[in-house]
Amino acid sequence: GENVEQHPSTLSVQEGDSAVIKCTYSDSASNYFPWYKQELGKRPQLIIDIRSNVGEKKDQRIAVTLNKTAKHFSLHITETQPEDSAVYFCAASQYGNQFYFGTGTSLTVIP
Amino acid sequence: EAEVAQSPRYKITEKSQAVAFWCDPISGHATLYWYRQILGQGPELLVQFQDESVVDDSQLPKDRFSAERLKGVDSTLKIQPAELGDSAMYLCASSLVVGYEQYFGPGTRLTVT
Repeated sequence: GENVEQHPSTLSVQEGDSAVIKCTYSDSASNYFPWYKQELGKRPQLIIDIRSNVGEKKDQRIAVTLNKTAKHFSLHITETQPEDSAVYFCAASQYGNQFYFGTGTSLTVIP
Repeated sequence: EAEVAQSPRYKITEKSQAVAFWCDPISGHATLYWYRQILGQGPELLVQFQDESVVDDSQLPKDRFSAERLKGVDSTLKIQPAELGDSAMYLCASSLVVGYEQYFGPGTRLTVT
């Protein structure tokens, strides 16, 4: 089955700096890669996703890049704000089936 | 804005007892997922439904867990008997169609004593 690894497990940045979280996957058949943000005690919420037919996708301060050859994808948050503090999960899926999640990255933005 | 509903939000049960969780997906969402999330880890898929049919239950411990979605709308996940290791957050999610955005419910926090 698919194996998704996520790094780092914890990340602290100063407000205004950028944050990068990386994930690798093992199954080359995976073709859908969402990123979720989970605040303490709340449900995971999709913040951005990318499909295997594109290499990069951007939404305001958030971007995701995908390298299919190397089987890794990354989340980039620019101009970080305290409200970006949360746990972020990456996931890999084949056509929306069998979602496999990473172990999460706890991001702290220091004001 | 429509949301996925789950109940109960919290459940404390003794080991060897039966426990059940309920999920009501967003109206019209054909695909429904049950996940288990242990503290400090990512969600782990237990079962996926497409309408009333199970698409994937390869990670569901079938000796004690069961799930159903009889009319292709709401769903129930049952554990019988509960074990200490079942303590976790149980999340339900739904999507309009397979391959599209999943919307998560608030989860049920299960504590087995």
